[in-house]
Amino acid sequence: GQNIDQPTEMTATEGAIVQINCTYQTSGFNGLFWYQQHAGEAPTFLSYNVLDGLEEKGRFSSFLSRSKGYSYLLLKELQMKDSASYLCAAYTGGGNKLTFGTGTQLKVEL
Amino acid sequence: NAGVTQTPKFQVLKTGQSMTLQCAQDMNHEYMSWYRQDPGMGLRLIHYSVGAGITDQGEVPNGYNVSRSTTEDFPLRLLSAAPSQTSVYFCASSTTRRDTTYEQYFGPGTRLTVT
Repeated sequence: GQNIDQPTEMTATEGAIVQINCTYQTSGFNGLFWYQQHAGEAPTFLSYNVLDGLEEKGRFSSFLSRSKGYSYLLLKELQMKDSASYLCAAYTGGGNKLTFGTGTQLKVEL
Repeated sequence: NAGVTQTPKFQVLKTGQSMTLQCAQDMNHEYMSWYRQDPGMGLRLIHYSVGAGITDQGEVPNGYNVSRSTTEDFPLRLLSAAPSQTSVYFCASSTTRRDTTYEQYFGPGTRLTVT
């Protein structure tokens, strides 16, 4: 079976750093995606990790540990526009099949 | 490029009606998929296709049919709508080339209400 866990909600302050964790147990694993979804909009791609380690992309970084079934998304210098849902998704192969977590709703406050 | 387009954006159906949600992409992507998104449930895969003429079931296929006659189009048919199918439906596409990140591009969604 496929199981992906991430916190339901998080709150952080503008300008701060926040880490959103994701743990996964999947049959077949080829990589880990993070997507951002603003309310009423479609998900948009943030990052993709295949190998263990940290991938940095501007204010966003994503980390993967395949042996621990664990990933996190790190958001630095938080801005109000970062208030959104962040979706963790495991690429489980069989074409490009993705299994999504339920998403973490991040609220950035002043 | 328009990317992934979906029509309609909003739809209200009565129980038992049938309809087709349209999805098209202009990126020549091999892989296309349909998800539904419900509060607290995340995105769940309904059906997917790895190329024209090839489709397969995802996690929640019951009550839905798909076909893939061209690379560009991947319509989703609701055979006999039920209130449990009230949801937001997203279509997505991606390339399957090995030198890419396989990121999926999502359409804007169709918000369906079944009464």
